[in-house]
Amino acid sequence: DTGVSQDPRHKITKRGQNVTFRCDPISEHNRLYWYRQTLGQGPEFLTYFQNEAQLEKSRLLSDRFSAERPKGSFSTLEIQRTEQGDSAMYLCASSEGGLFTLHFGNGTRLTVT
Amino acid sequence: QKEVEQNSGPLSVPEGAIASLNCTYSDRVSQSFFWYRQYSGKSPELIMSIYSNGDKEDGRFTAQLNKASQYVSLLIRDSQPSDSATYLCAVNNDFGNEKLTFGTGTRLTIIP
Repeated sequence: DTGVSQDPRHKITKRGQNVTFRCDPISEHNRLYWYRQTLGQGPEFLTYFQNEAQLEKSRLLSDRFSAERPKGSFSTLEIQRTEQGDSAMYLCASSEGGLFTLHFGNGTRLTVT
Repeated sequence: QKEVEQNSGPLSVPEGAIASLNCTYSDRVSQSFFWYRQYSGKSPELIMSIYSNGDKEDGRFTAQLNKASQYVSLLIRDSQPSDSATYLCAVNNDFGNEKLTFGTGTRLTIIP
């Protein structure tokens, strides 16, 4: 069990550019979640996958955001035409048994200049 | 009104004392409640979950739930400096969804 892995750890991009983050869940965890956390706030739910199916998506996730989980293994989160308000820590979590066994990765910190 | 409210602190507690962290929630249909610990610059770590009224104990931690008052708390006994962190309360309404709604967290400092 190597934990939830996220890549990159840090990303600095200019406004208007596209960025993509990757999350590798704990092996055999069929549930995968994306959250976003800004300074001084708690994490905000973005989306949830069970295997390869995206079952829930927050209203926070505008059409500039898209997430995929092909083959039910790793997941990617893409942000198109980044805005300064997108600057945050993007957290991925995985679970085998639902919310009672949620494990977070170390996150990807995005800075949009 | 925020869905999940916590006092942001900071809360300072002497080493060895009991730290008491509180959380209120607005949605009466909320079913499952979680406490996460987050060290500065790190990701949240689940420490306790509770879904029935009453107390649930795990080592030095006790979670308390009162659904009538829409209140959940976390007690940390024999507080240690390593308990210094931000504690996040999270709620799920359990209508077949997997969304957690987090509070803003309470920053706890244990004073040696």
